[in-house]
Order: sequence, then structure tokens, then C-alpha cells
Amino acid sequence: QKEVEQDPGPLSVPEGAIVSLNCTYSNSAFQYFMWYRQYSRKGPELLMYTYSSGNKEDGRFTAQVDKSSKYISLFIRDSQPSDSATYLCAMSAGTASKLTFGTGTRLQVTL
Amino acid sequence: NAGVMQNPRHLVRRRGQEARLRCSPMKGHSHVYWYRQLPEEGLKFMVYLQKENIIDESGMPKERFSAEFPKEGPSILRIQQVVRGDSAAYFCASSTQAGAYGYTFGSGTRLTVV
Repeated sequence: QKEVEQDPGPLSVPEGAIVSLNCTYSNSAFQYFMWYRQYSRKGPELLMYTYSSGNKEDGRFTAQVDKSSKYISLFIRDSQPSDSATYLCAMSAGTASKLTFGTGTRLQVTL
Repeated sequence: NAGVMQNPRHLVRRRGQEARLRCSPMKGHSHVYWYRQLPEEGLKFMVYLQKENIIDESGMPKERFSAEFPKEGPSILRIQQVVRGDSAAYFCASSTQAGAYGYTFGSGTRLTVV
């Protein structure tokens, strides 16, 4: 079993929809949770960074962490075609530690 | 403020040759990390370095791979005697001393072994 599980998709939604992306994990030592967006043939770009459980909102993006269930989510409101990319969840046990990534979910937002 | 700079962007090597990948971290970042991304797979941690020190190399293959981050100059990931299975995208990331706000990744080096 992988330490971090993420549905690879692809996930196709119409423009304006609310998108929900999720990851589950097995390592209870993880305390720092991140979401990255990766466009084709580019490097991952940090979207959201959360410590421990709770919610964090930034513009159209909301990150949720439920450590009791070992489950994290990213919500994208009012999705745009420019949101079409691969979304990677990542987590670590410490601030300057290695990240463990999910395999990524490919999102396609259609007009 | 330049981001994390990686070069070359694309590298083609024949089997048995050496590959050298370079990474210059963001200004003010003293921690460097190397990750490998194989087709259809997520990023896999390889090595974590600070200036002149290897902190965690638990993800590095035991043979042919080495990394350094000298006092002056970029971090180097070196792959000796490359094989077809080394073909992948190699990403470098950097962070501040505290690692706050996560990493910043470079655009990667795509290595193709022919």
C-alpha cells in the first residue's frame, strides 16, 4: 500500500463547477500538507500549505485536513479552463523534511 | 527575484555516459531537494542537502547516483553510466531554513537515455 493515495482521474468538469480533489494517507507522522498544481512539462507550483488539521482558504481555493481520518481535500470554486492541470497532494513530517507525493489527479475544465 | 533555476532543461545521453544536472536555489534558500518523476508516477524524493552537507539521501539509488551542494555554486545531481530506466524528469526544489510555506520547485531537467 502506498503512503499517499490519490485518484489519477482524469476528472472533467464544466467551467464554473466546484471541483473536489482528495488524498488519503497512512503515515500518522505527517503534519504538513500541501497542494501543488503542475502544468504539462512544467515544475509543480505550490497552491496551498496547511499545518495539522483544519481549513485554509485562499481566493477560489480551500484546503481541508482531517488528521483523524487521514484525509485531505482541495476545493476549487468557480473553476476556469486555466485550472486544467495535474493537482498533486504532498505531505511531510517536518518543515525541512522530504515530501511524500500522491500520483496526482489530472483535471480538465471545459468551456 | 529569480525562482529555482535548473539546467539544462533537456538532456540526451547515450547508455553508459554521465549526466550532470544543475540546480541554483532561490535567493535566501539554503535547503535543496531533488525529486524524480517517472511517466505516470508522482514525484519521488531522492536527496536533501544543505550547503556542503547531505542531510537525507534515503531516496537515492545505492549505485551510480550522487549529489552535492558546494559552498559556492549550484547543487549538482550526477548520474554515472546512465541506463534507459534513468529517463525521467528530475526536479530540484529549495526552501528557507525553516522550510516555512513549503518548497519552490524548478522547471525540471528532462533526461532521455538513448
